[in-house]
Amino acid sequence: GAVVSQHPSRVICKSGTSVKIECRSLDFQATTMFWYRQFPKQSLMLMATSNEGSKATYEQGVEKDKFLINHASLTLSTLTVTSAHPEDSSFYICSATTPGSYNEQFFGPGTRLTVL
Amino acid sequence: RKEVEQDPGPFNVPEGATVAFNCTYSNSASQSFFWYRQDCRKEPKLLMSVYSSGNEDGRFTAQLNRASQYISLLIRDSKLSDSATYLCVAQGYNNNDMRFGAGTRLTVKP
Repeated sequence: GAVVSQHPSRVICKSGTSVKIECRSLDFQATTMFWYRQFPKQSLMLMATSNEGSKATYEQGVEKDKFLINHASLTLSTLTVTSAHPEDSSFYICSATTPGSYNEQFFGPGTRLTVL
Repeated sequence: RKEVEQDPGPFNVPEGATVAFNCTYSNSASQSFFWYRQDCRKEPKLLMSVYSSGNEDGRFTAQLNRASQYISLLIRDSKLSDSATYLCVAQGYNNNDMRFGAGTRLTVKP
């Protein structure tokens, strides 16, 4: 199956700093990637859809100026959490679809963010 | 009301048991349905798609009832390695319209 990587896998930062998370499709080109957030014992919540070469589409309630998404190439999307606060602590997961996979999303291993 | 609802469990069953999970979805326009498996602190992985006619993959059987907006997953002959959280997913026409349930936790004990 298609492989999606994320980096870093875990990050701990101080309140007010910015954190960048990378999502890469390793063996395929992903024109669209998705960013999710999952709080403990809760479901994955879609934050935004990242489209290569264009602006991301954010879900209602997700601040685009706080969660900056860049999809500069067909294999890389980045999520930057700006001025992170403790309430941003969560598990951030990206996913991508492959051409012809029809609806199956391949997930990255996730990034656990802890903001002190 | 959540778009996809699941019994959070936990379900604690002995090895070899049969266990069933249920899920309901609120959006009648949902087109595709899936069961994902998520291990602790890991990413979700696709277990199986769910079709109207029902489908089976080894020990796993998934069923969809569109009239009742209800999805089920049956696991037969449970293994220790089946211990995980099972996520029910309903998807609209677009890939950015996937709605996840909060998951049902299963623990299979020796």
